[in-house]
Amino acid sequence: GQNIDQPTEMTATEGAIVQINCTYQTSGFNGLFWYQQHAGEAPTFLSYNVLDGLEEKGRFSSFLSRSKGYSYLLLKELQMKDSASYLCAVMDSNYQLIWGAGTKLIIKP
Amino acid sequence: DVKVTQSSRYLVKRTGEKVFLECVQDMDHENMFWYRQDPGLGLRLIYFSYDVKMKEKGDIPEGYSVSREKKERFSLILESASTNQTSMYLCASTKVPGQGTDEQYFGPGTRLTVT
Repeated sequence: GQNIDQPTEMTATEGAIVQINCTYQTSGFNGLFWYQQHAGEAPTFLSYNVLDGLEEKGRFSSFLSRSKGYSYLLLKELQMKDSASYLCAVMDSNYQLIWGAGTKLIIKP
Repeated sequence: DVKVTQSSRYLVKRTGEKVFLECVQDMDHENMFWYRQDPGLGLRLIYFSYDVKMKEKGDIPEGYSVSREKKERFSLILESASTNQTSMYLCASTKVPGQGTDEQYFGPGTRLTVT
């Protein structure tokens, strides 16, 4: 079956760096997405990786290793507003998105 | 600015009622999706549509149906609501799979409670 694994919850300190991991097993691969979802709100797009390597976008970076079925989202200079759930999703060979359960990130002052 | 809207943010219905959830997008997207989101679970796909009058079952279609009469509008119907359909329902749209990042744009969600 298809599976996306990510930690349920993480805690970090304001100003610090946090890495949220995602491992996947899917039928084919057409890219990996990271979304941010604040409590009670809709998910919003953060990043997309289809080739191996690191994609940097301001304070957020996303890494992909297709051979290992692994990705991480790196958040630097954490701010209180980064408290949210972070969803990992993989697009399979049929262009369907397979979603992880999300990682709830708690930022402490 | 791209926009996906849903008819209600909060809805309370009784068991056995027929429930309509509506979603409208203004981006001329071909693809539209209905998900439900429950604590501890990833987004689960209920139905999707690649074109007007076209629909495909997702992972959990039982108890639901959909309608897409116009490109911009995708409706989710609960034929006879049950308590296990209490959930957050999210609508999303996207252009065409495989083109660019193909990110999904989500509506604000409808929190449905069935009593």
